[in-house]
Amino acid sequence: AQRVTQPEKLLSVFKGAPVELKCNYSYSGSPELFWYVQYSRQRLQLLLRHISRESIKGFTADLNKGETSFHLKKPFAQEEDSAMYYCALSRGGSNYKLTFGKGTLLTVNP
Amino acid sequence: EPEVTQTPSHQVTQMGQEVILRCVPISNHLYFYWYRQILGQKVEFLVSFYNNEISEKSEIFDDQFSVERPDGSNFTLKIRSTKLEDSAMYFCASVQTGKGQPQHFGDGTRLSIL
Repeated sequence: AQRVTQPEKLLSVFKGAPVELKCNYSYSGSPELFWYVQYSRQRLQLLLRHISRESIKGFTADLNKGETSFHLKKPFAQEEDSAMYYCALSRGGSNYKLTFGKGTLLTVNP
Repeated sequence: EPEVTQTPSHQVTQMGQEVILRCVPISNHLYFYWYRQILGQKVEFLVSFYNNEISEKSEIFDDQFSVERPDGSNFTLKIRSTKLEDSAMYFCASVQTGKGQPQHFGDGTRLSIL
């Protein structure tokens, strides 16, 4: 079975502060990990995927297979980063369904 | 940039009635999905569809649910006899190929069962 855990339901930081949104997963195979973001009243949008190892809007995430984690980080948070963030896992098999965490609501205060 | 589109944005239906939620996936995508999100809960997988058949379904996707791709563009989710607990946000998603590709989501349909 595959499971994604986002331990923080809410995270509040000040503008310019570093931010880390935690994600841990449980899966016995080689998963594909993603971060999706949902800004107020907008659709779920892909932010990052682990296989591309890219930085989007200053965010990075590294897959740590030893700790089964895929934490999302940004060194200097901006007010426009305020949104709901979902970590998701796909087992990479023939159907590629996503298993989501419960999400973390990030609020960046001025 | 092409988008997944869903209609309607909000559907209000009496309990026991049938409802059809519609989605137009991105045109060159091959895999299609429905997810739902009950208020305050996480996004849950319902069903995946490929090559004109269901490839996987969750425990939630019981006999009351069905999916169809009636033509080359639409992808529909039908709930035959709605229950109060079907009230949720329903998201359609599509992806071009499979491994490693991100799924693209629609804006969702908010289904309210009275």
